[in-house]
Amino acid sequence: ILNVEQSPQSLHVQEGDSTNFTCSFPSSNFYALHWYRWETAKSPEALFVMTLNGDEKKKGRISATLNTKEGYSYLYIKGSQPEDSATYLCAFATSGTYKYIFGTGTRLKVLA
Amino acid sequence: SQTIHQWPATLVQPVGSPLSLECTVEGTSNPNLYWYRQAAGRGLQLLFYSVGIGQISSEVPQNLSASRPQDRQFILSSKKLLLSDSGFYLCAWSPRGPWGGYTFGSGTRLTVV
Repeated sequence: ILNVEQSPQSLHVQEGDSTNFTCSFPSSNFYALHWYRWETAKSPEALFVMTLNGDEKKKGRISATLNTKEGYSYLYIKGSQPEDSATYLCAFATSGTYKYIFGTGTRLKVLA
Repeated sequence: SQTIHQWPATLVQPVGSPLSLECTVEGTSNPNLYWYRQAAGRGLQLLFYSVGIGQISSEVPQNLSASRPQDRQFILSSKKLLLSDSGFYLCAWSPRGPWGGYTFGSGTRLTVV
């Protein structure tokens, strides 16, 4: 059974704090790892597509790293703002067979 | 550009009533289409996916069914809703495989009472 885990489940930070969370996935049959940002009452939006071990992606204050050998990806938010409040989802795509598995998400609340 | 439409946004239905949720995609042809559900306190669960007209794969046994009558139309149905069908339903599309990521619809919040 393929399992994608995210931690923590939820997180409250103060405005201006930097934070990070983790996505853990199977280290075998890796094809791609995607990060999504999901605001309440909206649909998930793609943040990053990561395919190579050692990948680092950045979009504004948000960045992500990838370690396929040990099976984890980190998402970092620098100087959190209230508008960063959302659920952050990762999704793991396997090579060979069709499997695309979402993690349960990390719910971030940034307090003003 | 590609867009995806999903409706209705919210729905309250009594137990035992039928269900029909519709999803359409514009600006692309032959997309892969997906229905996901998020039950309360849980992650996204893949319900159905389709790689072409009339081709439906079910990931989990359940009270729901899906159909793809046209290339860019995906419908989620039930003949008789159960309380456990409550949740947030998302339609998504991807070009061929999901490797480039999904584009999601706006979702439907279904409450079965």
